Amino acid sequence: QQQVKQSPQSLIVQKGGISIINCAYENTAFDYFPWYQQFPGKGPALLIAIRPDVSEKKEGRFTISFNKSAKQFSLHIMDSQPGDSATYFCAAQGAGNMLTFGGGTRLMVKP
Amino acid sequence: EPEVTQTPSHQVTQMGQEVILRCVPISNHLYFYWYRQILGQKVEFLVSFYNNEISEKSEIFDDQFSVERPDGSNFTLKIRSTKLEDSAMYFCATARTGLGSFFGQGTRLTVV
Repeated sequence: QQQVKQSPQSLIVQKGGISIINCAYENTAFDYFPWYQQFPGKGPALLIAIRPDVSEKKEGRFTISFNKSAKQFSLHIMDSQPGDSATYFCAAQGAGNMLTFGGGTRLMVKP
Repeated sequence: EPEVTQTPSHQVTQMGQEVILRCVPISNHLYFYWYRQILGQKVEFLVSFYNNEISEKSEIFDDQFSVERPDGSNFTLKIRSTKLEDSAMYFCATARTGLGSFFGQGTRLTVV
């Protein structure tokens, strides 16, 4: 019940395209859903986050869509750039403030 | 921009030895965490620390692990007797309000 399932595991997108990464969770006690970006050899960097009372949040080229009834949320990267090539992790936070991470998506944006 | 600082960046230790990983949190943050990431796998929660005590810990965080904030600034993770399977990247994370954790660059621990 604590798992967060993330798909796809890897994604190749052309420059300028839209990258879409999906996550699903089971635990309805989760109340905060951040996305992290990680470059090789670096720590995860907080990208954007959403609370379950909101269905969408946009920051620049990054948008989170949240479907509370389906217990799913997704990250959309508009106008994807080669510099966006990284591993993306969704996460969910509930009681105790611990983050439960998805398995990660390795994104490659081709020039 | 404030950041979480971790030292050392890489630690090699012999099996059975004790290691201490150090973290300097962002100055006004009150919530502290340790996570680990085995190579190529997802990030896993180890422990959370608030108000000078452990608030949550995972199954991974057994009696070989301990945390403390000895001087009010550094936040440390100690592994008493390292095993080969402890080899991983260890990340310290901190948060001001409990939401929006900021991660350090990590310490790569290699147990040989």
